[in-house]
Amino acid sequence: AAGVIQSPRHLIKEKRETATLKCYPIPRHDTVYWYQQGPGQDPQFLISFYEKMQSDKGSIPDRFSAQQFSDYHSELNMSSLELGDSALYFCASSLGKNSYEQYFGPGTRLTVT
Amino acid sequence: QQPVQSPQAVILREGEDAVINCSSSKALYSVHWYRQKHGEAPVFLMILLKGGEQKGHEKISASFNEKKQQSSLYLTASQLSYSGTYFCGTARNTPLVFGKGTRLSVIA
Repeated sequence: AAGVIQSPRHLIKEKRETATLKCYPIPRHDTVYWYQQGPGQDPQFLISFYEKMQSDKGSIPDRFSAQQFSDYHSELNMSSLELGDSALYFCASSLGKNSYEQYFGPGTRLTVT
Repeated sequence: QQPVQSPQAVILREGEDAVINCSSSKALYSVHWYRQKHGEAPVFLMILLKGGEQKGHEKISASFNEKKQQSSLYLTASQLSYSGTYFCGTARNTPLVFGKGTRLSVIA
């Protein structure tokens, strides 16, 4: 069965640089979520999209933005990167919002040096 | 509001049972359970939507006590493959909020 695809899997950036993470949800899933997970931490919700419209916003810094495109893929854009942005970034998708099971992609490990 | 999980960590020998609890000071609407292995993505285990609901998934099952605002995950006859961090998450037409996780280690 098709799963959530994320790219790249690993990314190394320097402080103040920008990064773009991509997510391709499971076909026919209408909701996409972005999470940030630091070492030993629980996943923290950043932002979600339902049917290509922003649905909910969590602890996403103003330096970050995201969008969902007509083909349902989503991109997380991160600017002015800081050392503290180093984390695993997961995208998840579901059929239905919030109260439905979410399927996570393999994640993008971002390292900011 | 972040749900509270207990215990924070547990070590089991193969074949032993474990219970992981997830509680909230606010009314629970839905409880989600995920397992995450180190460096990998969280994997969906099950979701409970109604008070009193119980679900099973191989030797892993869960219950949801709406009145006590608590859910429990039961792992029976544990296998090495059960090792990982278990997260509960709660949502009520709102984004999922995960607990801090319970680290489960199964040893031979």
